[in-house]
Amino acid sequence: GQQVMQIPQYQHVQEGEDFTTYCNSSTTLSNIQWYKQRPGGHPVFLIQLVKSGEVKKQKRLTFQFGEAKKNSSLHITATQTTDVGTYFCAGLSDQAGTALIFGKGTTLSVSS
Amino acid sequence: DTAVSQTPKYLVTQMGNDKSIKCEQNLGHDTMYWYKQDSKKFLKIMFSYNNKELIINETVPNRFSPKSPDKAHLNLHINSLELGDSAVYFCASSQAGLAGTNTGELFFGEGSRLTVL
Repeated sequence: GQQVMQIPQYQHVQEGEDFTTYCNSSTTLSNIQWYKQRPGGHPVFLIQLVKSGEVKKQKRLTFQFGEAKKNSSLHITATQTTDVGTYFCAGLSDQAGTALIFGKGTTLSVSS
Repeated sequence: DTAVSQTPKYLVTQMGNDKSIKCEQNLGHDTMYWYKQDSKKFLKIMFSYNNKELIINETVPNRFSPKSPDKAHLNLHINSLELGDSAVYFCASSQAGLAGTNTGELFFGEGSRLTVL
C-alpha cells in the first residue's frame, strides 16, 4: 500500500537557525498537505500543494512539491520558539478509494 | 463555535470494557474521518465516511464500529477494549474526500485520549 516517509524524526535547533523536513511517497500523489501539531494539541492545516514543482511561501515557511509529485519539503527560516511542534506531511494518492496518508512527522524543538 | 468537536476528551477504562467517542462537525462538510495517533505520534487513518456512507475502512479490527447517523456526526464504538487501543483518537472532516478530487484541508477535533488499564 501507499507509504509516506518523513525525515528526520526529531530535530533540535537553536533559535534563529533554519530547519527542513523532507517527505517521500512510494506512489505518485495528486496533492500533498502539511500540518502542524503543537504539543498536546491537534493537527492544524498549513498548506496544500497540487502542481508538480510548486513552491509556496508563508512568511518564514517555504513548501515545495517535487517535479515527480512524489516528494515534498518544508523549510523554516530563522526558527522561533513558537515554531515548536510536530510537522506532518500528508499525501493523497491519485488512486481511487484512498485517504490522506500521513507521514510519521518531524518533531521540532527550539532552544532560545 | 468549535468546528469539529469530540467527546469525551479523556477516557480511562479497564480492559474488556466497551466505550464510545462522539464527533460532530458544524462546517457542512461531506466527509468525516477517524484517525488514531499512537504514543509515537503516528497518525493512522481508520475510517472515512462520505455523506453517511463508509468509503474507507483501513484493516481495523471489527471491535471498532463507526456509525454516521447523519453527515454532521461520526461516532466510534469500541468493544472489548485492549491495552493496545490506548491512543489519542482524532475525528476530522473535509469538504471532499475521494481520491481524484481536491480533498481540501482536514479540520481536526481536539482529540479523545483513551487509556486502557
